[in-house]
Parts: sequence; structure tokens; C-alpha cells
Amino acid sequence: QVQLQESGPGLVKPSETLSLTCTVSGGSISGYHWSWIRQPPGKGLEYIGYIYYRGSTNYNPSLKSRVTISVDTSKNQFSLKLSSVTAADTAVYYCARRPTPSAYYFDYWGQGTLVTVSS
Amino acid sequence: DIQMTQSPSSVSASVGDRVTITCRASQGINSWLAWYQQKPGKAPKLLIYAASILQSGVPSRFSGSGSGTDFTLTISSLQPEDFATYFCQQGDTFPPTFGGGTKVEIK
Repeated sequence: QVQLQESGPGLVKPSETLSLTCTVSGGSISGYHWSWIRQPPGKGLEYIGYIYYRGSTNYNPSLKSRVTISVDTSKNQFSLKLSSVTAADTAVYYCARRPTPSAYYFDYWGQGTLVTVSS
Repeated sequence: DIQMTQSPSSVSASVGDRVTITCRASQGINSWLAWYQQKPGKAPKLLIYAASILQSGVPSRFSGSGSGTDFTLTISSLQPEDFATYFCQQGDTFPPTFGGGTKVEIK
């Protein structure tokens, strides 16, 4: 059973960089695309971007200038960096697996981690 | 981006009821639609992908239909564990986008 677990600081100051890591267990990170998705409190889901295990990426144009996603296959982990954060970036951040390259949907999700942007 | 509009935003129903949720895309997405169930404090759970294919392990009382711009999720006989929020998501065009959600509440 594949499991994903997000980790990182729960509180980030405005203008700083949010950094999260997703650790994949019960399966290999190889062969798949891995995504970050967020959900502001009480609101809907927003797609951030993905990384293929070989390192290619694609980001939501609405966040592209501030997002970097990287992968470390030796640790079965991938990471998210979001720069210049504001209160609008306060959300639960999820990592998820896209099971097929032919369509965008997500079969395994992490439990999510709340990141609050506040001074 | 493709806009996904769900209706209703909430529905009150009783155990055993048939519940139908609709999702409309702002442009055609073929059959690239997924449905998720989310309970408070939990991650979304994939129920259906490609509009009508049931994810492994999901009860058969859940079904999906539609293509193009209009889609439905049907729960044939609502069970106590089905009270949750349901989201649709288009997977045709990058970036994938989600509907606003439908909360299924106990009547």
C-alpha cells in the first residue's frame, strides 16, 4: 500500500519561502508523476504542479513564478518550495500521485499539512 | 483555466436515499473527469476516474456518467459513511481544476 506523508514547518512568515517534503513509502517514486495540491481553510482545491521522477516539471501558471518542485529518488521524496508567501498562501498542502501520464487524476494522497503564513 | 461548476453546493438526505451531484465544465473535457470524497480533516479519496470507472475498493453504490461538459455522480443508496463533501476534477487540460464541492449532509 503506497503511503505519502508531508512534512515541514507549520508557520511561515510573510515574504519568506514555504518548504515542504513528501515522503513516499510502500512503493517506489520511480515511474510516476508526483503533485502538490493545496486547499485554503474552508475552500476548494487548487493544483500547484507536478514533477516526474526523472525531474521534469510543470507548474500552474498562476503560481509558476514562485514555485519550485524537486525530487530525490534516493530518498523516495519530492519537495515543494513556494517563495514570497502571503496570507493567501495559508492552506492545507497535499502531495499526491498521478497514476497515469495520459490523464490528470490522483489515486494516493498524503494526509495534508496546514501551513499558516503569519508574522 | 477550465472552470468546474458543481451543483448543488449542499444537499440534505437520509440513509437509503438516492443522491445525484452534477458537475459542468466550462469547455469540453471528453471523459477526463474524476470524483473525490473528502471527510473533515482528511485527504480527498478518489472514487471515480475517466467519468465512469470505479476506483478499486470503492463500493458499487457509487457511479459516474457523462462526457463533454456535463457529468453526474450518483450514490444509489446513501450510507452513514457517505456523509462527506464531494469534488469533481477535470483532467483533460493542464492545470487540472476542481469543482467547488458538494456537501452531503444528514437530513
